[in-house]
Amino acid sequence: GIQVEQSPPDLILQEGANSTLRCNFSDSVNNLQWFHQNPWGQLINLFYIPSGTKQNGRLSATTVATERYSLLYISSSQTTDSGVYFCAVVEYGNKLVFGAGTILRVKS
Amino acid sequence: EPEVTQTPSHQVTQMGQEVILRCVPISNHLYFYWYRQILGQKVEFLVSFYNNEISEKSEIFDDQFSVERPDGSNFTLKIRSTKLEDSAMYFCASKNQGSYEQYFGPGTRLTVT
Repeated sequence: GIQVEQSPPDLILQEGANSTLRCNFSDSVNNLQWFHQNPWGQLINLFYIPSGTKQNGRLSATTVATERYSLLYISSSQTTDSGVYFCAVVEYGNKLVFGAGTILRVKS
Repeated sequence: EPEVTQTPSHQVTQMGQEVILRCVPISNHLYFYWYRQILGQKVEFLVSFYNNEISEKSEIFDDQFSVERPDGSNFTLKIRSTKLEDSAMYFCASKNQGSYEQYFGPGTRLTVT
């Protein structure tokens, strides 16, 4: 089955800094979603982005499907951005396959 | 904005007991899913459901698990005889026909003691 790798596994930022999270996948995908898991464990849907670029406030995402990667940009990070960021893809069928996540800690 | 809801938010049960986790998907969605996340691990697919039947299930989804859509709005996951290793966060998701985007509920944290 498809492999999804995220990097870095862990990231510590000072408040106000920018960061880039990466998601590599091993095969063509029909769907790619980025999620933020908050400290209460809820999965917050950030982007549905099988290709192209999207922006939502301080967050933006780019997926280059032909090269099998996606990037999540966080600008001017805030302490509330802390948590785990997951990338997930659909290869075929319907199920999402998740990466292991990037743990982000933003310090004030 | 429509959202997926799940109840309860936290369930504590004793080993061997049956539990039912409930989900209300977005009203016009036709595809329904359960995922689980053991503490500190990645989110794993359990089962997908369409047209009143299971369309795909993972190796995790053994005979102890079942899903049901008892009426037009609810989607349930039943674990017949819980084990300690069933302790996890369980997420329900739904999606519409013609789209790949899945919408997730807030999760139910199941603790088996």
